[in-house]
This record gives sequence, structure tokens and C-alpha cells, in this order.
Amino acid sequence: GQQVMQIPQYQHVQEGEDFTTYCNSSTTLSNIQWYKQRPGGHPVFLIQLVKSGEVKKQKRLTFQFGEAKKNSSLHITATQTTDVGTYFCAGEGGTSYGKLTFGQGTILTVHP
Amino acid sequence: DAGVIQSPRHEVTEMGQEVTLRCKPISGHNSLFWYRQTMMRGLELLIYFNNNVPIDDSGMPEDRFSAKMPNASFSTLKIQPSEPRDSAVYFCASSPSSVNYEQYFGPGTRLTVT
Repeated sequence: GQQVMQIPQYQHVQEGEDFTTYCNSSTTLSNIQWYKQRPGGHPVFLIQLVKSGEVKKQKRLTFQFGEAKKNSSLHITATQTTDVGTYFCAGEGGTSYGKLTFGQGTILTVHP
Repeated sequence: DAGVIQSPRHEVTEMGQEVTLRCKPISGHNSLFWYRQTMMRGLELLIYFNNNVPIDDSGMPEDRFSAKMPNASFSTLKIQPSEPRDSAVYFCASSPSSVNYEQYFGPGTRLTVT
């Protein structure tokens, strides 16, 4: 079945440093979504990418979808303590049409 | 607007007991998803419904798990009998459609089976 791998598993940064998490799918995706889960909370939708090579920005967050639609990245510029949480990518497509396959997530901690 | 509602928020039960988790999706959403989250296995899709019909239950661990969606505003996930390895956070999520739409997660039910 479809697999979505996400790295790194953990990332510790000092406040103000940048952060990047990477997502790779074993199959071509129709779209990829990113979610954030605060400690003790539930996943919250951030963004969806659909087009090959697409880049979207939300304030300090930049999301990219690879040309082959098999990989994606999330980059946070100048992290803040409010960025703490687990960031998940989730892919739809191939054999998982109609449902999302979540990556394992990257746990981000930010030291003030 | 109310989001996805789940109950109970916490459940502690003994091994062998029946557990029923409940979910009310966002009004107007056609798709409903049940997930399980553990440290070891991450976020796993158990089953999803489209227009109240189960579409894919390949993630349901075994026959002890069952899910129903009798109408557009209510779904249940039942575990009978429960086992300690079922301890996890169970999330329900809904979406306007199953394809190319974001999912809205409920607050989750933290299940502990002793």
C-alpha cells in the first residue's frame, strides 16, 4: 500500500532559527495536505497542495510540492515558541484515493 | 459553528469490556473518518464513510472493532472485547467530501484499557 515517510522525527531549535520537515511518498499523489497538532490537541489543517511544483506561503510558513508530486516540504522561518507541535504531511492518491495517508510527523520543540 | 464533537473525551475501562466511542460530524459534511493515534504507530486510518456508507475499512485492526454511521450526524466506533493494546487516542474527522478536501478533526477520545 501507499507509504508516506516524513523526516526528521524530531527537531529541536532555538527560537529564531529556521525549521524544515520533509515528506516523501512511495507513489504519485493527487494532493498533499499539511496538519499541525499541538501537544495534547488534535490535528489542524494548515494547507493543501495540488499542482506539480506548487509553492504556497502562510506568513512564516512555506510549503512546496515536488515536480513529480511524490515529495513535499514545510519550512518555517524564524521559529517562535508558538510553532511548537507535531507537523504531519498527509497524501492522497494512487491506491489511497479518497483517503489520506499520514506521515509519522515531525515533533518540533522551540527553546526560548 | 460547532466543530466535530466526540464523546467521551476520556475513557478508562477494564480488559474485556465493551467500549463505544461517539462522533458527531460537522453539519453538511459528507465524509467521516475514524483514526487511532499511538506513539508507536502514529496516526492510522481505521475506517471512513462517504454519505453514511463505509467505503474502506481496511485499517480496522480485527473483528473486535466495528463502526457504524446510522445517519449523517452520528457515528460510533465499538471495541468488543477491549484489550490493553487498544489504548490510544481515537480521533473522528469529517470533510465536505472524501476527495481533495481538508479534514476537520474532533478533540479525540483518550482510551485506556487496563
